[in-house]
Amino acid sequence: EIVLTQSPATLSLSPGERATLSCRASQSVGYYLAWFQQRPGQAPRLLIYDASSRATGIPPRFSGSGSGTDFTLTISSLEPEDFAIYYCQHRSTWPAMYTFGQGTNLEIK
Amino acid sequence: QVQLVASGGGVVQPGRSLRLSCAASGFTFRSFGMHWVRQAPGKGLEWVALVSHEGTIKYYRDSVKARFTISRDNSKNTLYLQMNSLRVDDTAVYYCAKEIVGGGWSNWFDPWGQGTLVTVSS
Repeated sequence: EIVLTQSPATLSLSPGERATLSCRASQSVGYYLAWFQQRPGQAPRLLIYDASSRATGIPPRFSGSGSGTDFTLTISSLEPEDFAIYYCQHRSTWPAMYTFGQGTNLEIK
Repeated sequence: QVQLVASGGGVVQPGRSLRLSCAASGFTFRSFGMHWVRQAPGKGLEWVALVSHEGTIKYYRDSVKARFTISRDNSKNTLYLQMNSLRVDDTAVYYCAKEIVGGGWSNWFDPWGQGTLVTVSS
């Protein structure tokens, strides 16, 4: 089973700064990686899928990159509403299975 | 717009059963695969199960196989999760979610419903 390890566990930044979140897979997952944002008390929402494709309605300050085992979510200039927990996710198609990383808590410095 | 409303959660004793429902609207329900994902209190996300758009293909995480059954009624635009032999570690908020691409299964999923809390405790 593929394990996703996110780093750092907590990231403290100020509005306007650039955020770089990492997700490492225990073996190659190709481009089968997504990123989710979860604000307090809310359901998660999809930000990025297939490693670098922005989901519908996601602002361009969010970008994803990487392939194989190393992936990055970048938020170019943090807005107040971006402070949340971010999860990476892998999907395998045979057999169908989905795995999440443990999350990165992006907090206001 | 897409709306997913989960219900059926509550407090149940270990070993008992519970059925969750997810009422869907705002899209052609019968065309999209659907998922259940859970989140234990203060913990991360854990995928639980998926069902194909026609309801014929189903997959589960190992820890719920043989105990949970995912199903759907396309005539009622509703997704279900029958949970039997519940354990304390099944305690979580259960979210339903819609796949972003129709006509198959095992794709990315979004949006998610608001979730329903299941508490397994004696």
